[in-house]
Amino acid sequence: NAGVTQTPKFQVLKTGQSMTLQCAQDMNHEYMSWYRQDPGMGLRLIHYSVGAGITDQGEVPNGYNVSRSTTEDFPLRLLSAAPSQTSVYFCASSRGELAKNIQYFGAGTRLSVL
Amino acid sequence: QKEVEQDPGPLSVPEGAIVSLNCTYSNSAFQYFMWYRQYSRKGPELLMYTYSSGNKEDGRFTAQVDKSSKYISLFIRDSQPSDSATYLCAMSANNFNKFYFGSGTKLNVKP
Repeated sequence: NAGVTQTPKFQVLKTGQSMTLQCAQDMNHEYMSWYRQDPGMGLRLIHYSVGAGITDQGEVPNGYNVSRSTTEDFPLRLLSAAPSQTSVYFCASSRGELAKNIQYFGAGTRLSVL
Repeated sequence: QKEVEQDPGPLSVPEGAIVSLNCTYSNSAFQYFMWYRQYSRKGPELLMYTYSSGNKEDGRFTAQVDKSSKYISLFIRDSQPSDSATYLCAMSANNFNKFYFGSGTKLNVKP
């Protein structure tokens, strides 16, 4: 059981470049989320999805786009990378309300924007 | 003001000590409270989950919630070097997928 898989593990971008962070889960979870983790800031919610075709903004959505065409995948797109987006990005999934909202996290993607 | 406040530490204790980790929050609507453990360069993993007020025990771990004071705690008994990690509190106001995390407390348990 792979759980939540994030790719790539590391990435270096130049300012203005675009890229997509991939997230896939094999637990048939309805809920998926993207967080960024910065020193002293904890985890901050970027976007989340409560099911295929349904997404919503979190606490820090600017500069990021998401879509959810399948239950399994929830990619995060950086349209024009900025140094302020240097961070560690985590994807998480959970079964939903009845499962007491236990979130399972991927191992993270470490992104540097130069 | 942050929704959730957590002392970043680091907190250094000898093996076998009782550890107390705490978070305070400002939103009285929070009902779901969680503690996550995060090892270096890994994703967070859920340790404890509590709904509303009260205590919950699981092995060496005890979670407490005091909604009147907007204060939650995690106690670790007989701490082990393998407990060395960053501990994140998280909370939510409803059943949807919006959680607010503390910044994490780094714990070091010395052998």
